[in-house]
Amino acid sequence: SQQGEEDPQALSIQEGENATMNCSYKTSINNLQWYRQNSGRGLVHLILIRSNEREKHSGRLRVTLDTSKKSSSLLITASRAADTASYFCATGGSNYKLTFGKGTLLTVNP
Amino acid sequence: DVKVTQSSRYLVKRTGEKVFLECVQDMDHENMFWYRQDPGLGLRLIYFSYDVKMKEKGDIPEGYSVSREKKERFSLILESASTNQTSMYLCASSRGSLAKNIQYFGAGTRLSVL
Repeated sequence: SQQGEEDPQALSIQEGENATMNCSYKTSINNLQWYRQNSGRGLVHLILIRSNEREKHSGRLRVTLDTSKKSSSLLITASRAADTASYFCATGGSNYKLTFGKGTLLTVNP
Repeated sequence: DVKVTQSSRYLVKRTGEKVFLECVQDMDHENMFWYRQDPGLGLRLIYFSYDVKMKEKGDIPEGYSVSREKKERFSLILESASTNQTSMYLCASSRGSLAKNIQYFGAGTRLSVL
């Protein structure tokens, strides 16, 4: 069953702009993760935020988590053409499984 | 770096054939997973394994089986391939840690069943 739902489904921006993607989920979580997928390839882990954390940074990535609203956002600052990819949120609960959303397709135009 | 290797990038099979998709990881991870990815449906979990010879059904196990005889290898088996199993198949592995259950993915196998 799908839990994470990303919004928007697709996003197109110019190089240098910031990109914001949102994720909503339904049940309680242990952590929330963001992954990136280049076209036709496997997913690559970007960042993990635990349920007791509110914000986390990694390079040009900033993730926030609001457990009261069951939502998270991923901000990519100063985007580059190489950031063009699909981005997925995934929620981890009380077992080892992750539940992935359907993804946001980000296009960064040079 | 963790490496998860899927045996084939592209595979073309005929309806009714028995298909084996192989996945090997080199980081001694306890957990291994098989997903299929279809446009508009995201990633759906087929099966996962949390130890050698242990397996658990995911969300869409029908038409599939799995085998994990060694810790590093997790095989997905399509007993009798059908056209609706044409898809991208992704294998992943993770440590046996609930706090940090990051999954590492292979490059994927794009299977076409004709």
